Amino acid sequence: SYELTQPPSVSVSPGQTARITCSGDALPKQYAYWYQQKPGQAPVLMIYKDSERPSGIPERFSGSSSGTTVTLTISGVQAEDEADYYCQSADRSGTYWVFGGGTKLTVL
Amino acid sequence: EVQLVQSGAEVKKPGESLKISCKVSGYNFTKYWIGWVRQMPGKGLEWMGIIYPDDSDTRYSPSFQGQVTISADKSISTAYLQWKSLKASDTAMYYCARPIATGGIGFDFWGQGTLVTVSS
Repeated sequence: SYELTQPPSVSVSPGQTARITCSGDALPKQYAYWYQQKPGQAPVLMIYKDSERPSGIPERFSGSSSGTTVTLTISGVQAEDEADYYCQSADRSGTYWVFGGGTKLTVL
Repeated sequence: EVQLVQSGAEVKKPGESLKISCKVSGYNFTKYWIGWVRQMPGKGLEWMGIIYPDDSDTRYSPSFQGQVTISADKSISTAYLQWKSLKASDTAMYYCARPIATGGIGFDFWGQGTLVTVSS
């Protein structure tokens, strides 16, 4: 079955830029979506269709795509951004949707 | 206001059956896919499957095909996730979610989650 690969963890100091990658063979054809999840809470959609931000999401969150890799970039990281981040996409046919394994962002 | 309200926490024994629900309001239930997502304790999100309530078109992740049943009742704007015979490994938080209105598969509305505990 189709898989999306994320690094297990990323660490960054406050004010710096964090980049979280997600790789998958179908990403050139399918959009990617990004979620933030804090402990005890439901996920929150941060980026849709590779690079669009839903209303209410801070501008410091951005998304980009290049080939089989998509990237979530958090500029000027704040302590409140410490959370788990998940990418989501679909297989080539668009039939099956899948999440990446998740990346724990630690703000040092 | 879009809302997805899930049924309450469940504690079950292995082998028992279970059906949890997700009641939606604030939008036309039949015109959006509804998905189910599993999160085992301390683990990541897993896409289980989706249903389009208007025609009950249902798709399952290969990992969950045959293990659960997803259904919907248009008359009461409610989606369901059902097990015939629970296992201890089904212990998890289960979320229902609706994709974003602007198109695509990203879930922008989520239920509060239903915690299912399966233990003898």
